[in-house]
Amino acid sequence: DTGVSQNPRHKITKRGQNVTFRCDPISEHNRLYWYRQTLGQGPEFLTYFQNEAQLEKSRLLSDRFSAERPKGSFSTLEIQRTEQGDSAMYLCASSRVPGGVSTEAFFGQGTRLTVV
Amino acid sequence: GIQVEQSPPDLILQEGANSTLRCNFSDSVNNLQWFHQNPWGQLINLFYIPSGTKQNGRLSATTVATERYSLLYISSSQTTDSGVYFCAVELGGQNFVFGPGTRLSVLP
Repeated sequence: DTGVSQNPRHKITKRGQNVTFRCDPISEHNRLYWYRQTLGQGPEFLTYFQNEAQLEKSRLLSDRFSAERPKGSFSTLEIQRTEQGDSAMYLCASSRVPGGVSTEAFFGQGTRLTVV
Repeated sequence: GIQVEQSPPDLILQEGANSTLRCNFSDSVNNLQWFHQNPWGQLINLFYIPSGTKQNGRLSATTVATERYSLLYISSSQTTDSGVYFCAVELGGQNFVFGPGTRLSVLP
């Protein structure tokens, strides 16, 4: 395992459709983050997991967004009823958190979503 | 929440020049990282530097945690250094907060 893997790399969908993205973290990392990045901006935090527990989800953009990490390994981010404003790069990161203090985080290549 | 500022927002250099990028943050942090975002959008780790000084080739970074800033130095810049540089800070073992980035263009 050489890094964080995200699939698909690109997704084009019609407005109103649901989409799901997958993130496979570095295998020994117990912390997993999702971020969104729009053009010209820095990444914006969405949610994160410690093992299978979702510790923060209040920053998810609306109730159309949800994330899971059912077995504490890979994670999925779902967007229901997509809107054009959801078009962005969705980034996943992972880190190891021994004793509550995060170590270095590594990002995947991202999934670029285009809603038409 | 914690605020992260980066300066300058844009920087244009001639190949071979040196530069300093700055990151200011509004609160004490547990971690700080510098990233380079390539044209395909991938965030490449440059430094994990909550405090102190590190060097990696032509790049070096210094974080003065007590004064709430970090500096990224690029020496003898190359065209491949072009892109957006982000600093990100973590407070309290939670999520990383990113600054707005510095867009660097290195001209041949």
